[in-house]
Amino acid sequence: EAGVAQSPRYKIIEKRQSVAFWCNPISGHATLYWYQQILGQGPKLLIQFQNNGVVDDSQLPKDRFSAERLKGVDSTLKIQPAKLEDSAVYLCASSLWKGPSTDTQYFGPGTRLTVL
Amino acid sequence: RKEVEQDPGPFNVPEGATVAFNCTYSNSASQSFFWYRQDCRKEPKLLMSVYSSGNEDGRFTAQLNRASQYISLLIRDSKLSDSATYLCVAIYSGAGSYQLTFGKGTKLSVIP
Repeated sequence: EAGVAQSPRYKIIEKRQSVAFWCNPISGHATLYWYQQILGQGPKLLIQFQNNGVVDDSQLPKDRFSAERLKGVDSTLKIQPAKLEDSAVYLCASSLWKGPSTDTQYFGPGTRLTVL
Repeated sequence: RKEVEQDPGPFNVPEGATVAFNCTYSNSASQSFFWYRQDCRKEPKLLMSVYSSGNEDGRFTAQLNRASQYISLLIRDSKLSDSATYLCVAIYSGAGSYQLTFGKGTKLSVIP
């Protein structure tokens, strides 16, 4: 079974530039998550989709970050404009969603973003 | 936002040792808990779910203490391959509200 795919794997940009990340979840997984993981910290949930709808985006900095999941499959996360503190690994995860108590998340390899 | 706290470590233990990690959560209404393992520069992977009655998977035992709002992970007979960062997760899901929070992780180094 193919895992969660993410691209690009690495990205270096200058502050105030824009960047976009792409995620393709495991086939059949209804739920898709985007996390930001800063070095030395745990993943911080940015946004969670259930099919096309947003379950939680309370920690998404909406003035600069946006995410969409068209047709309930692939998703993109965009940062515009980027700041130095956005340097982190952006992880995408997906799950079948049988309920919160049995929801195993499968993570992609992440995109390592460096903002100079 | 409700927090999940972990001792960052590092825990340096010899092979064969038993080591325990705790994770405290501040949202008393949290319903679901998990332990994930993250190797250096890799993505997190599910280690085990945490059930109210406690659960065991080989050398790993997870327990939940709702009264004190903490979950624990016990690793017996540590192997070199257990060296990783262990992340706990607490989930609250209720009417009109949802919260999923990872702790910062506890780093374990098993030394020969």
